[in-house]
Amino acid sequence: DSGVTQTPKHLITATGQRVTLRCSPRSGDLSVYWYQQSLDQGLQFLIQYYNGEERAKGNILERFSAQQFPDLHSELNLSSLELGDSALYFCASSPDSQGDSNQPQHFGDGTRLSIL
Amino acid sequence: AQSVTQLDSHVSVSEGTPVLLRCNYSSSYSPSLFWYVQHPNKGLQLLLKYTSAATLVKGINGFEAEFKKSETSFHLTKPSAHMSDAAEYFCVVSVFMDSNYQLIWGAGTKLIIKP
Repeated sequence: DSGVTQTPKHLITATGQRVTLRCSPRSGDLSVYWYQQSLDQGLQFLIQYYNGEERAKGNILERFSAQQFPDLHSELNLSSLELGDSALYFCASSPDSQGDSNQPQHFGDGTRLSIL
Repeated sequence: AQSVTQLDSHVSVSEGTPVLLRCNYSSSYSPSLFWYVQHPNKGLQLLLKYTSAATLVKGINGFEAEFKKSETSFHLTKPSAHMSDAAEYFCVVSVFMDSNYQLIWGAGTKLIIKP
């Protein structure tokens, strides 16, 4: 058990819809990262938040947004969904965003999003 | 630019035989390196990390990796494969970019264990 909790585990919805994925980081971790994993693209880094502020952006579409709340949980919002958005979405957390480059990220079990 | 190359997309070995998963990195300074494992329909789990203290790093489940600066390699090995090792393995380098450490992920190697 990594200590990172993601809900829901599975989500099925239709094109054009909007969904919210939720992540609770490990206790004490200040950074949250979001990744998308699909068969054709592999693992893609989307975005990182540190203590409520955006720290780094990866290959995140404009239709996607995220935020980190004062209690450090994070939400990833996906809107105007397309068939190609079907993927596993992972959240990871780490203690800090700077200083120690040896800090690994700890991953949740993911949310499987299926667009019909 | 920093990058990670996993040289094999698939590796197939028989149970009880050694495992070698190859990883080469490109970094302009001494990197931090990790191996992660992903079992089917599961999240990613940290196997081991290189901290620049010892070049041979031991991880969980009997895996180890050796950092070779002259070859810019960080190959993952295990003396004897077990059926439960069947999974996808990712080599990762930590880089300092835009005032922040970020992880650069390899494309992954699927390890297949034959009975």
